[in-house]
Amino acid sequence: EAGVAQSPRYKIIEKRQSVAFWCNPISGHATLYWYQQILGQGPKLLIQFQNNGVVDDSQLPKDRFSAERLKGVDSTLKIQPAKLEDSAVYLCASSRTGNYGYTFGSGTRLTVV
Amino acid sequence: GQQLNQSPQSMFIQEGEDVSMNCTSSSIFNTWLWYKQDPGEGPVLLIALYKAGELTSNGRLTAQFGITRKDSFLNISASIPSDVGIYFCAGQLSKAAGNKLTFGGGTRVLVKP
Repeated sequence: EAGVAQSPRYKIIEKRQSVAFWCNPISGHATLYWYQQILGQGPKLLIQFQNNGVVDDSQLPKDRFSAERLKGVDSTLKIQPAKLEDSAVYLCASSRTGNYGYTFGSGTRLTVV
Repeated sequence: GQQLNQSPQSMFIQEGEDVSMNCTSSSIFNTWLWYKQDPGEGPVLLIALYKAGELTSNGRLTAQFGITRKDSFLNISASIPSDVGIYFCAGQLSKAAGNKLTFGGGTRVLVKP
């Protein structure tokens, strides 16, 4: 089966600019996650979707971050405006309902200068 | 919030050696997972542990879920160069929390020069 697709792979923006990331999960996976991985740290959950509904967004900085999964398939994560500390790899993952084994995409590496 | 502490933070391996790494938590987890992340890629699931005391193998990898549900270890036997990477433990509290995973900071495995 095809893996989790993410784009772009790399993005460099200036602080206060906006940026968007795209994720296409594995077909049939109802649950989709966005994680933030700062260099040298483990991934941290930003938001979890079940189909097109939000399950957990408790660690999403809602003043600048937003995410949507309108048709329960693809998802976009947006940052507006970006700060220097947002520099990280943004990982998308998906899983079947009740399956603990996530499949991660390769991530988008964001650098904010 | 929950924290998973991994040790060591980094280690050097020589081909053929057995290596071991640990993960501890102040919280009880119902599920423990071990992931490996290569440069520029997302984490890949190695082993999943579902029961306290469970010992599970996957090829040269062996992992155990601690009796107290607050710790786990991962062993790699007869290491080879492709074992280089970052190993993450991850825990899940309960099904009521969805499939949210909390990740440790990682153990970086490097090759001895």
